[in-house]
Amino acid sequence: GENVEQHPSTLSVQEGDSAVIKCTYSDSASNYFPWYKQELGKRPQLIIDIRSNVGEKKDQRIAVTLNKTAKHFSLHITETQPEDSAVYFCAARERGYQKVTFGIGTKLQVIP
Amino acid sequence: DAGVIQSPRHEVTEMGQEVTLRCKPISGHDYLFWYRQTMMRGLELLIYFNNNVPIDDSGMPEDRFSAKMPNASFSTLKIQPSEPRDSAVYFCASSSLTLYSNQPQHFGDGTRLSIL
Repeated sequence: GENVEQHPSTLSVQEGDSAVIKCTYSDSASNYFPWYKQELGKRPQLIIDIRSNVGEKKDQRIAVTLNKTAKHFSLHITETQPEDSAVYFCAARERGYQKVTFGIGTKLQVIP
Repeated sequence: DAGVIQSPRHEVTEMGQEVTLRCKPISGHDYLFWYRQTMMRGLELLIYFNNNVPIDDSGMPEDRFSAKMPNASFSTLKIQPSEPRDSAVYFCASSSLTLYSNQPQHFGDGTRLSIL
């Protein structure tokens, strides 16, 4: 089955700086990679996703990159704000299946 | 759209009692997932259904756990008998399979379960 590794587990940045979270996956058949943000006590919410036929996708201050050869993908948050503080999860889904495997999560703290 | 609805939001019960968690998926979604979230193990998939049929229950920890989906708008996750190590947040999520296939899962607000 799929295995997703995520790092770092915690990340502290100053407000305005950039934050990068990295994930690797094991199954070359995976073709869909969503990222979720979970604020304390709340549900995970999709913030951006990328498909295997795309190398990069951007949405305002958030971008995701995918390297299929190396089987890794990353989340980039620029100009971080205190409201970006949350736990971020990467995930991978194998082609033809709806089952998603999540990374362990990264707790991001943006220091004002 | 009301989103995925879970109940109860919080449940506190004594060890040995039966616990029933409920979920109403988004209307029109044909996939439903049950997850368990803990600090140590993160988000674990317990079981998922497609068109009310269980597809993969390999994540169900043991026979004390069971899940059903009697119709397209309702699912339950039962734990009987419950144990303190079952304490966690349980999330339900749903998604749809479209022509483009890659549709994200939408999560409910979760049930925070505490077994004393």
